Amino acid sequence: DGGITQSPKYLFRKEGQNVTLSCEQNLNHDAMYWYRQDPGQGLRLIYYSQIVNDFQKGDIAEGYSVSREKKESFPLTVTSAQKNPTAFYLCASSIGLAGGPAFFGPGTRLTVL
Amino acid sequence: GENVEQHPSTLSVQEGDSAVIKCTYSDSASNYFPWYKQELGKGPQLIIDIRSNVGEKKDQRIAVTLNKTAKHFSLHITETQPEDSAVYFCAASRAANNLFFGTGTRLTVIP
Repeated sequence: DGGITQSPKYLFRKEGQNVTLSCEQNLNHDAMYWYRQDPGQGLRLIYYSQIVNDFQKGDIAEGYSVSREKKESFPLTVTSAQKNPTAFYLCASSIGLAGGPAFFGPGTRLTVL
Repeated sequence: GENVEQHPSTLSVQEGDSAVIKCTYSDSASNYFPWYKQELGKGPQLIIDIRSNVGEKKDQRIAVTLNKTAKHFSLHITETQPEDSAVYFCAASRAANNLFFGTGTRLTVIP
């Protein structure tokens, strides 16, 4: 089955540590996105990538970094510079940017202890 | 930037009744309006979208209407079923790489 996988489902981190969230898609989509979801709020865009080796900052990129070395993979690193990293992180993909994120992964819930 | 407001935040309907969720947006240049359904513990799923050159779009029991003059758009679900229970998000953008999301509506369909 085609889709997006995110791992791990739950992640715990101590303050001051960097952590990397995995996102893999087998849909052959060019565009991939990372969103953050907080209780009672809409999704907010962290980073997006239109094509391999290219990515752009979204609205809340500070404290995060990404890479896009392969078409199917778009890992997100939450660095110690992110002041409030506890949240639900969602990866998404689409054929291109014109249609917006069409498919979302199941998400990773990150908790900073 | 764009500001999307969504109402109501919670909605309960009897099975078989209709449900309507409304969103307003602030940027008159926004031209793409998708709706997502998020079930518990899962990522959102795109269920329907509309572009600014269309006033209404239907897909079986789901329809979306857009009023560009008033800058609001709505999701209509008819003949609701228990499996429609979820959180629904609207979004708007002038560029699909940067959607602005509403805060969500928790729909409960009572059997």
